[in-house]
Amino acid sequence: QSALTQPASVSGSPGQSITISCTGTSGDVGRFNYVSWYQQHPGKAPKLLIYDVTSRPSGVSNRFSGSKSGNTASLTISGLQAEDEADYYCNSYTSSNSPYVFGTGTKVTVL
Amino acid sequence: EVQLVESGGRLVEPGGSLRLSCAASGFTFTKAWMNWVRQAPGKGLEWVGRIKSNTDGGTTDYAAPMKGRITISRDDPRNTLFLQMNSLETEDTALYYCATRGYSYANAFDIWGQGTMVTVSS
Repeated sequence: QSALTQPASVSGSPGQSITISCTGTSGDVGRFNYVSWYQQHPGKAPKLLIYDVTSRPSGVSNRFSGSKSGNTASLTISGLQAEDEADYYCNSYTSSNSPYVFGTGTKVTVL
Repeated sequence: EVQLVESGGRLVEPGGSLRLSCAASGFTFTKAWMNWVRQAPGKGLEWVGRIKSNTDGGTTDYAAPMKGRITISRDDPRNTLFLQMNSLETEDTALYYCATRGYSYANAFDIWGQGTMVTVSS
């Protein structure tokens, strides 16, 4: 099972919106609405941001939103803030022998 | 407070074995599907394996690169998850996290520990 494909880096200025893509296949992202997104600051454990493609856990800012089209899921961060500078990973349930696969990760830089 | 605390990581020689532990508190461990996720230095997250709750069968699944070399088990009375790793390779060097899946939020890794570092080197 290959990792889902994410851009290595995305950057934006404070207040702007950015979108991170997560491309899989018809056996994972395209087949199941079980895509989740995680934020990881340096030296910290990942934190759940989005689950089931579009849902936000309690306490997560509504500046974070998720969507999906075909085999590609996306995470949009609106009103970019300095604290959003971190690594972001997508994850999907899969129909392969391994039930879960992570994305390659995206480093977000706030200019 | 909901908490997962991993332990057992250390320096081990190639070919060696290691058992990691993950102590859970603040939630009903018996209901949780538990996972191990690892992260090599400077690299991304990689799912390692899972064990379902005993009420859901207690079965295990493993990622292909580690299948045959690892065993995940749980001790529900002690609220503890284990990862037994054998025939360790230098490529297994990573920070190993335990995480619940679907405990509070469906189909997502919702509770994470802080990780324990495993270094495989001669």
